[in-house]
Amino acid sequence: KNEVEQSPQNLTAQEGEFITINCSYSVGISALHWLQQHPGGGIVSLFMLSSGKKKHGRLIATINIQEKHSSLHITASHPRDSAVYICAALNRDDKIIFGKGTRLHILP
Amino acid sequence: GAGVSQSPRYKVTKRGQDVALRCDPISGHVSLYWYRQALGQGPEFLTYFNYEAQQDKSGLPNDRFSAERPEGSISTLTIQRTEQRDSAMYRCASSLAPAGLAVEQYFGPGTRLTVT
Repeated sequence: KNEVEQSPQNLTAQEGEFITINCSYSVGISALHWLQQHPGGGIVSLFMLSSGKKKHGRLIATINIQEKHSSLHITASHPRDSAVYICAALNRDDKIIFGKGTRLHILP
Repeated sequence: GAGVSQSPRYKVTKRGQDVALRCDPISGHVSLYWYRQALGQGPEFLTYFNYEAQQDKSGLPNDRFSAERPEGSISTLTIQRTEQRDSAMYRCASSLAPAGLAVEQYFGPGTRLTVT
C-alpha cells in the first residue's frame, strides 16, 4: 500500500463541472503539496498545506490532519485544467512521497 | 539496491561562485528530474531527461542554470554566478518509465544550497 493514495486515478468531466480530487496519506507529515503536471512533463506547484484551506483562483485545497486527508477542488473547470494532479506528502524526514496522480481531462 | 543519491548534501558558497550539483539515479532508471524547493515553498520543476536527452528545461529559472546527463546516468546541475535567491533545496528524482506520465519518482535526499 502506497503511503500516499490518490483517487480517482482518472477523471473525465465536462467543462464547467466542479472537480474534486482526493489524497489520503498514512505517514506523519509536515506539509502536503498539490502539484500539476502538464502533458509536456513540467510540474507546477499549486499549493503547499499544513492545515486548513487555501484558495487560488478557481483552485481550492483543503487538508484534515486528523483524518490524514486532503482534497483539491476545481470550480468552473476548463479544458486547460486538463493535466495530471499529484499529491505529495513531505514527511517528517523531509522526504517527498508522491501519489501516483490523478489524470484529469476536461471536455469542451 | 541503492536509491537515488545526491552530492554534496550541503553546499555553502559565496555569491558569484559557480556550483555543480550531482545526481546519481537508480541504476536502470530512464528518466531523471531536477526540482528546486525554496524554504517554506512547494517544489518546482526545473528540468528532466529521458536517457541522455534533455526533454524539458522550461523550469530552469534563467541561463545561469544548466544541466547535463551525457551518458544517460549521472546528471549534473550547474549554477553559474550564484545569487542569494538561488539558495534552496535541490532535489533529484529518477523513474523507471519515461517522463510525461504520473509515474512513481524516487527522490534523492537533496542538496541544500546556501549562497551567502
